[in-house]
Amino acid sequence: QVQLLQSGAEVKQPGASVKVSCKASGYTFTDYYIHWVRQASGQGLEWMGWINPSSGGTDYAPKFQGRVTLTRDTSISTAFMDLSSLTSDDSARYYCASGPIDRFDSWGQGTLVTVSS
Amino acid sequence: DIQMTQSPSTLSASVGDTVTISCRASQSISRWLAWYQQKPGEAPKVLIYDAFTLKTGVPSRFSGSGSGTEFTLTISSLQPDDFATYYCQQYNSHSYTFGQGSKLEIK
Repeated sequence: QVQLLQSGAEVKQPGASVKVSCKASGYTFTDYYIHWVRQASGQGLEWMGWINPSSGGTDYAPKFQGRVTLTRDTSISTAFMDLSSLTSDDSARYYCASGPIDRFDSWGQGTLVTVSS
Repeated sequence: DIQMTQSPSTLSASVGDTVTISCRASQSISRWLAWYQQKPGEAPKVLIYDAFTLKTGVPSRFSGSGSGTEFTLTISSLQPDDFATYYCQQYNSHSYTFGQGSKLEIK
């Protein structure tokens, strides 16, 4: 079955960057997009961007353009999300999700990122 | 950006009831709409995509309808496992937005 295993919780200072990993198993990594979605505590869901693991092509939500970088390493079936210039507003749980371009079929467990001085 | 508005934000129902959650898009999205269920402490889970296609393994008491700007999620014969928060999500031309969520509580 499809599994997405994300890296552990992070605590960062304002202005720093965070890199979250998402290791896929149970399917061919290059068959589906990897999307990144975040959720602040008690809040709704916010799409950040996707990466096409096959081509490496990316698309980012305008809100995060210039601050988020999505990459992948096909040799280890892992996608990465790098978010820079962190502020307290970036404190949230970050999810990776695989699926076709239009939706999010399978989700990782989420990675809690806390931004605090 | 396309805005997605769900209603109601909270609803109370009993086991066995049938409930309906609405989702309105600020502009037409054809049938590019999915519904998700999220329980506390868990990741969301897709229930329906393309407005009315049931994801494999999802119980048939879940159904979706609509196109354009108006969409509906219906849950018939509510089970205890169904009490959760539901989100709609649209995809249109490299844009993805979610509704604010509808929390289904036990009456």
